[in-house]
Amino acid sequence: KAGVTQTPRYLIKTRGQQVTLSCSPISGHRSVSWYQQTPGQGLQFLFEYFSETQRNKGNFPGRFSGRQFSNSRSEMNVSTLELGDSALYLCASSHLFDRNRYEQYFGPGTRLTVT
Amino acid sequence: DAKTTQPNSMESNEEEPVHLPCNHSTISGTDYIHWYRQLPSQGPEYVIHGLTSNVNNRMASLAIAEDRKSSTLILHRATLRDAAVYYCILPYFGNEKLTFGTGTRLTIIP
Repeated sequence: KAGVTQTPRYLIKTRGQQVTLSCSPISGHRSVSWYQQTPGQGLQFLFEYFSETQRNKGNFPGRFSGRQFSNSRSEMNVSTLELGDSALYLCASSHLFDRNRYEQYFGPGTRLTVT
Repeated sequence: DAKTTQPNSMESNEEEPVHLPCNHSTISGTDYIHWYRQLPSQGPEYVIHGLTSNVNNRMASLAIAEDRKSSTLILHRATLRDAAVYYCILPYFGNEKLTFGTGTRLTIIP
């Protein structure tokens, strides 16, 4: 079974631009979560989607948004990029919407650099 | 929200067992304890999780204290490929965010 895939793997953008990242979960998984990882802040939760609905949201500004499609694929968008948005963005999928009982499977991440 | 405390770093010799501790004194009765690890330049990888009794899988064992306020991840025979940052976390079901702490950076000495 193929793992979680994320595209693109690397991205360089300029301040003020917007970016869209894509995540394809493991086949059959309906829950997708997004995380931001930086050296200073560690791994921080962005949001979680299940059956096309956002179920949880972390403490990030409204410039960060996401959505999930009927095939469970998910995208996240960051508008008006700032230098501090440079990070590794990770996507994780899970079979069911219950992070307590079920494990998550992470993708390799998208490395975003904002200049 | 319940938090976990782990040592920042640990070292172990190759081919020896490794015991990675985690304290979670504010754990609730329904919280599962999850362990993930992150190898350099990769996304986190699921290792193991459990609720009350000890758990084993092909990667590791999880020993949970009787009062559930602490747990230990056991790598039975460490290899160089086990060098990673290990995270002990308590995910929530519902409207709480999933938080990862700083984890334990495990160094394996050849």
